[in-house]
Amino acid sequence: GAGVSQSPSNKVTEKGKDVELRCDPISGHTALYWYRQSLGQGLEFLIYFQGNSAPDKSGLPSDRFSAERTGGSVSTLTIQRTQQEDSAVYLCASSHEGPRGDTQYFGPGTRLTVL
Amino acid sequence: AQKVTQAQTEISVVEKEDVTLDCVYETRDTTYYLFWYKQPPSGELVFLIRRNSFDEQNEISGRYSWNFQKSTSSFNFTITASQVVDSAVYFCALSEFNFGNEKLTFGTGTRLTIIP
Repeated sequence: GAGVSQSPSNKVTEKGKDVELRCDPISGHTALYWYRQSLGQGLEFLIYFQGNSAPDKSGLPSDRFSAERTGGSVSTLTIQRTQQEDSAVYLCASSHEGPRGDTQYFGPGTRLTVL
Repeated sequence: AQKVTQAQTEISVVEKEDVTLDCVYETRDTTYYLFWYKQPPSGELVFLIRRNSFDEQNEISGRYSWNFQKSTSSFNFTITASQVVDSAVYFCALSEFNFGNEKLTFGTGTRLTIIP
């Protein structure tokens, strides 16, 4: 079946502009995660959605970052007033709800470059 | 806090050699899960294996094998008879349970280069 998809694959923006990154999880997966991969910080967790529960936003680096998930499926990560340090690859992953340790399957990522 | 250490930043081996990637983890949980992911040059993280803390049996899948030892908090990954297609960055990860959020804590990765 189809895997996790993300769009756009690449995004170049100017400092101060807002950007939206989209994630389409695997059909039937109720858990959705956003991570960020950067040279300086490695792979770090940003936010977690599970069904209709309130998201866990504990990994968001600042209040310029927000995310939503509509209808328990597609998610959008929004970065407002982008800064150069926001340049990174943003990865989305999804998994089944169920026993602990469900495998997270990752999308191809969105490479964000802030000029 | 949970932590995953991959001390080997880069490894290069000649094709057909065996290679072991090390992973050491720290956690206070008694129940946890460990993972290995492969990130080829294309950039997508590819799932390789999941192991729970109660199952210390070693696992073999083709040329890949994993050695989980709770006594040393290690979960090492061995590739036998390496091939050029194995060239990638490999990440070890630990799942953290927090009221349902099983976010992954990743190591810094090991870049493996297989020389033809």
